[in-house]
Amino acid sequence: QVQLVQSGAEVKKPGASVKVSCKASGYIFFNYGISWVRQAPGQGLEWMGWTSAYNHNATYAQDFQHRVTMTTDTSTRTVYLELRSLRSDDTAVYYCARRITSPAEDWFDPWGQGTLVTVSS
Amino acid sequence: QSVLTQPPSASGTPGQGVTISCSGSPSNIGSKIVTWYQQVPGTAPKLLIHSNGQRPSGVPDRFSASKSGTSASLAISGLQSEDEADYHCAAWDDSLNGWVFGGGTKLTVL
Repeated sequence: QVQLVQSGAEVKKPGASVKVSCKASGYIFFNYGISWVRQAPGQGLEWMGWTSAYNHNATYAQDFQHRVTMTTDTSTRTVYLELRSLRSDDTAVYYCARRITSPAEDWFDPWGQGTLVTVSS
Repeated sequence: QSVLTQPPSASGTPGQGVTISCSGSPSNIGSKIVTWYQQVPGTAPKLLIHSNGQRPSGVPDRFSASKSGTSASLAISGLQSEDEADYHCAAWDDSLNGWVFGGGTKLTVL
């Protein structure tokens, strides 16, 4: 079955960087992009950007453009999210999700299990 | 502060119906299709409805969605205890050039 498995929880200090992985299985990897969405404690979902598994192009949300990088390793079917210059308000669960595209719209399905990133001094 | 506005909570008793609203603007809901996700506390979101009402396999037809102007709604009929979860609306935003979400609505089945 289609599955996205993410790396484990991380604890980082302010100013540091974190790299979260998302390993895909059960589908033709090149046919779909991967989006990253985060959820701060008790808050809603926030889209961070997406990357194409086909040509590795990435599009980032305006709020993250200057400190996020999304990369793809096709040999291991793994997508990575790197977030730099961490602040306490980056504490959140980070999700990867497969992007499904149709002529009229896109949606996310399935989602990874989530990775908790805690930023604390 | 989420771009799309949802009520923070909703509730109903088993067997009842409930509607969850999602308000946006012309650059998102007003011109784009709204997608709904269900999130049981402590787990990842799950696709609930896409493409103007399409439900993935396994989602019961008790769930339906509609849209009018810059607002969208998720309707759940015949509430069951397993429906207790957070519900999130989402849409592409042409002004922000990205996806936007609502703050989520926590549904309690009394």
